[in-house]
Amino acid sequence: GESVGLHLPTLSVQEGDNSIINCAYSNSASDYFIWYKQESGKGPQFIIDIRSNMDKRQGQRVTVLLNKTVKHLSLQIAATQPGDSAVYFCAERTGGYQKVTFGIGTKLQVIP
Amino acid sequence: DAGVIQSPRHEVTEMGQEVTLRCKPISGHNSLFWYRQTMMRGLELLIYFNNNVPIDDSGMPEDRFSAKMPNASFSTLKIQPSEPRDSAVYFCASSRSGEGSDTQYFGPGTRLTVL
Repeated sequence: GESVGLHLPTLSVQEGDNSIINCAYSNSASDYFIWYKQESGKGPQFIIDIRSNMDKRQGQRVTVLLNKTVKHLSLQIAATQPGDSAVYFCAERTGGYQKVTFGIGTKLQVIP
Repeated sequence: DAGVIQSPRHEVTEMGQEVTLRCKPISGHNSLFWYRQTMMRGLELLIYFNNNVPIDDSGMPEDRFSAKMPNASFSTLKIQPSEPRDSAVYFCASSRSGEGSDTQYFGPGTRLTVL
């Protein structure tokens, strides 16, 4: 039979444009959120995090926005580059030590 | 600084054989996580340790899977006997618990193929 895998949402962006990757999280009690980037053949790599007492945090070329009212998280990448092509995961800490739950990911394709 | 080290990077084995995956966390980190990644289910947490003690193994699929952490610098994930459906990439990650230090750092993964 035909194998069925996760259907990753895909975002295609022109090089130089800004990218916005969205994530809906599930647990209103989550207190910590992380964005990871996974390039092909590699492990997930930390990009940026945000705690629930914040609504915005900026890093180098990246900004994370948190809207707790609608349980929504977004990652904004400024001036997207070909090296930004990867799968991006949001993760939420659901309580107790450092256990986090990962979303299914979004594939970002940068068009040169 | 060396990151999380995993071995082997690739493993091909036959159904029924025992498989042992190894992980060396980042020095000074006191939490260690084992994940499995497949196309079907994405990234799943199997088990995590804090200060070498297993805290949550609810993600371990079945009794064929076991994990140990005999000391702060080494952990193993064992599958016995292995089955084709165990084929996946297995990641180890470590972190240092404490306020502001919850980031998990992932290793390069072990790609397991069970024939």
